[in-house]
Amino acid sequence: QVQLVESGGGVVQPGTSLRLSCGASGFTFSTYAMYWVRQAPGKGLEWVAAISHDGNTKHYADSVRGRFAVSRDNSKNTLYLQMNSLRAEGTTVYYCARAQGGSSWQFDYWGQGTLVTVSS
Amino acid sequence: QSALTQPASVSGSPGQSITISCTGTSSDIGAYNFVSWYQQHPGKAPKLMIYDVSYRASGVSNRFSGSKSGKTASLTISGLQAEDEAVYHCCSYRSDNALEFGGGTKLTVL
Repeated sequence: QVQLVESGGGVVQPGTSLRLSCGASGFTFSTYAMYWVRQAPGKGLEWVAAISHDGNTKHYADSVRGRFAVSRDNSKNTLYLQMNSLRAEGTTVYYCARAQGGSSWQFDYWGQGTLVTVSS
Repeated sequence: QSALTQPASVSGSPGQSITISCTGTSSDIGAYNFVSWYQQHPGKAPKLMIYDVSYRASGVSNRFSGSKSGKTASLTISGLQAEDEAVYHCCSYRSDNALEFGGGTKLTVL
């Protein structure tokens, strides 16, 4: 069955960096676009980044463009999110998600999320 | 503030039907059929319920249906059940290769 497992979250100070990973299994990872979505406690969902199946095309939300970088290693079935210059935005859960139908900007499977806390 | 506008809360009794609206612009809902709905129970990851405006995701009950008119998408749940109590998020592709979510609607089953 399809599984997405995020890791790499933690507590960091403003201005520092963190890299999240998302391990995928149960499907042909290299044929699916992948996404990162985040959510502050009690708040709505916010799209963060998108990457095409081959990693050649990437898109970012305005709020993270220039600070975050999405990448993937299809040989390792793993998606990454490099987060630099983190802002003191409190606690946020970061989810990775798979594109429904391969490339549709809709998400048919989500990971369980990894918690990132940026605080001084 | 979210780009797509949803009511903060809706409620209904078991067996009743409810509709959650999601209003966008001519650059998102009004322009594309990449409209999806997600159900989220407390402490859980979101779950895809509806994609491409009106298609039910695999395994989703036919009590859930989606539609769109102009810049407004809607999710209707018929025959409300206690397990439907959750937060529902709408989502739409936007013209500049971006994605917009609504603020989420908390459904209470009375």
